[in-house]
Amino acid sequence: QQQVKQSPQSLIVQKGGISIINCAYENTAFDYFPWYQQFPGKGPALLIAIRPDVSEKKEGRFTISFNKSAKQFSLHIMDSQPGDSATYFCAVLNRLAFGKGNQVVVIP
Amino acid sequence: EAQVTQNPRYLITVTGKKLTVTCSQNMNHEYMSWYRQDPGLGLRQIYYSMNVEVTDKGDVPEGYKVSRKEKRNFPLILESPSPNQTSLYFCASSLEGFHNEQFFGPGTRLTVL
Repeated sequence: QQQVKQSPQSLIVQKGGISIINCAYENTAFDYFPWYQQFPGKGPALLIAIRPDVSEKKEGRFTISFNKSAKQFSLHIMDSQPGDSATYFCAVLNRLAFGKGNQVVVIP
Repeated sequence: EAQVTQNPRYLITVTGKKLTVTCSQNMNHEYMSWYRQDPGLGLRQIYYSMNVEVTDKGDVPEGYKVSRKEKRNFPLILESPSPNQTSLYFCASSLEGFHNEQFFGPGTRLTVL
């Protein structure tokens, strides 16, 4: 059964724009919410993660925001660059179940 | 260099011919796992291991076996591969389990004819 749902499935953003991708989860018992980034031909790598005791965490151009009541967390990529073009996976910590991924394409 | 290594990186085989994909990590991690990645389906966990001699099924364990005799190694075994096991496989490890950063290997692309 799918425990996380990511949206949108794919996203095309102009260079310099803001990319926003969302992850909705089902089980309220999860307490660690990571986003992983995967480039073509590579394994995923941790980008940023948040715990539910904070509502937002920022690392450079990447911000993760958490909405506990909506059971959703989002990844914002500010000033999107062509190098950000990748697939992004959220995960929840019931044996680490990944979502299906969001493909982000940043066009120059 | 801290890393997760997988071998082989690419493999083409035929239905029914047993194969093993090796995974090794040099970070003294307790937790290791295997995923398969298919278009439109994302990453699905096959098996995971919380520590030596402890393994558990993930979401899609059918047709796969694993073993964890040593902390650093976690091989994936396909006793009788079938075409529906054609996929991209990733091994991952972390320090203590789900709540830690997962370090992924480079992937093994398997084709079963």
